[in-house]
Amino acid sequence: AQSVTQPDIHITVSEGASLELRCNYSYGATPYLFWYVQSPGQGLQLLLKYFSGDTLVQGIKGFEAEFKRSQSSFNLRKPSVHWSDAAEYFCAVGARSDYKLSFGAGTTVTVRA
Amino acid sequence: NAGVMQNPRHLVRRRGQEARLRCSPMKGHSHVYWYRQLPEEGLKFMVYLQKENIIDESGMPKERFSAEFPKEGPSILRIQQVVRGDSAAYFCASSPSTGGLGVNTEAFFGQGTRLTVV
Repeated sequence: AQSVTQPDIHITVSEGASLELRCNYSYGATPYLFWYVQSPGQGLQLLLKYFSGDTLVQGIKGFEAEFKRSQSSFNLRKPSVHWSDAAEYFCAVGARSDYKLSFGAGTTVTVRA
Repeated sequence: NAGVMQNPRHLVRRRGQEARLRCSPMKGHSHVYWYRQLPEEGLKFMVYLQKENIIDESGMPKERFSAEFPKEGPSILRIQQVVRGDSAAYFCASSPSTGGLGVNTEAFFGQGTRLTVV
């Protein structure tokens, strides 16, 4: 069975500082990995996804994530956060040609001035 | 082009009442997925529907829950005789085709409906 763990429930970061959100997964086959963001009052938006190839994936809004198979991790990073990055972030794992995703519990990011 | 629209955004029901959650997919999308997020947990898949067909309801509780996606109108998730444990956020997503949720085609999520059972 596939599962996703986001160890940090809540992270507070200063504007302009770097951000890293952790994601660990458990999956029997080659996983397809995703990061979604939910800003207040909005739906989930896809930030980036990893299927194969280069293990460093670039996404929208200046985010990137690195797939590390040996650590079963897919951590999300941003070099310099903006106040608008305050949101809830979800990591998810899926399978090839499947329509179901397994989500982590989410990490809430607060940005202080 | 409006995104996935869910209504209501917030719904309060007393124990034993019925809850009806609506989801209008993006224009041109004929595939709808419902997910539930219980407090402190990640989103969990409930059901996958195409127009007039339930494709996979493996994540739906066996009793009290039902879903439909009629030929005309929004997809409806219905919960009969609600209990406190049904309190959660319910998310709907839609995609233009199947091939995987985000694998070959991105799925778009709505804002969710937050159901509170008192």
